[in-house]
Amino acid sequence: AQSVTQPDIHITVSEGASLELRCNYSYGATPYLFWYVQSPGQGLQLLLKYFSGDTLVQGIKGFEAEFKRSQSSFNLRKPSVHWSDAAEYFCAVGALGQGGKLIFGQGTELSVKP
Amino acid sequence: DAGVIQSPRHEVTEMGQEVTLRCKPISGHNSLFWYRQTMMRGLELLIYFNNNVPIDDSGMPEDRFSAKMPNASFSTLKIQPSEPRDSAVYFCASSFRQGAEKLFFGSGTQLSVL
Repeated sequence: AQSVTQPDIHITVSEGASLELRCNYSYGATPYLFWYVQSPGQGLQLLLKYFSGDTLVQGIKGFEAEFKRSQSSFNLRKPSVHWSDAAEYFCAVGALGQGGKLIFGQGTELSVKP
Repeated sequence: DAGVIQSPRHEVTEMGQEVTLRCKPISGHNSLFWYRQTMMRGLELLIYFNNNVPIDDSGMPEDRFSAKMPNASFSTLKIQPSEPRDSAVYFCASSFRQGAEKLFFGSGTQLSVL
């Protein structure tokens, strides 16, 4: 079955600390992988995406993610978290020819301590 | 560009009433998606259109739900009759191509069915 698992429902980090949000997927076809961020009361905004090529992808706001096929993972990282990064983060998987039929994880809520 | 515009932002209605949610995609985008977000089920794709034609409506929960896209700049999602379990945030998103490309999300409609 196709699925995306984000094991951490809620994470709290101190401002300036590093961050890693975990994402594991199960998908039959070659996956296209995405990270989206959702601020309260807002829609989702794309942080980064992986289609092919270099398995380390850079996104907006200083985020990066690494695709590890052997581990079926696509973890999101940021070296130094800012208070404005507090939001909910969604990992998603799709495939070429599947349109926008993305399968989303349940999300990880990030809180940032001063 | 104003982005994807959804209306209303909030809708409170009584069980049995008809509810119509509206979406204006980004000009030039030819794919439009309706997603539903709930605590229990996360983000689910309900239906998507390409060039105003419904491509996949397998996510529409039941016949009470219908969606139309009469032209490239407008889409509606209708629930008739509404039920309390339909309470959720409904997001519209658009993209330039049908493939697993970057989706631009609207701010959503918070629907509460009493």
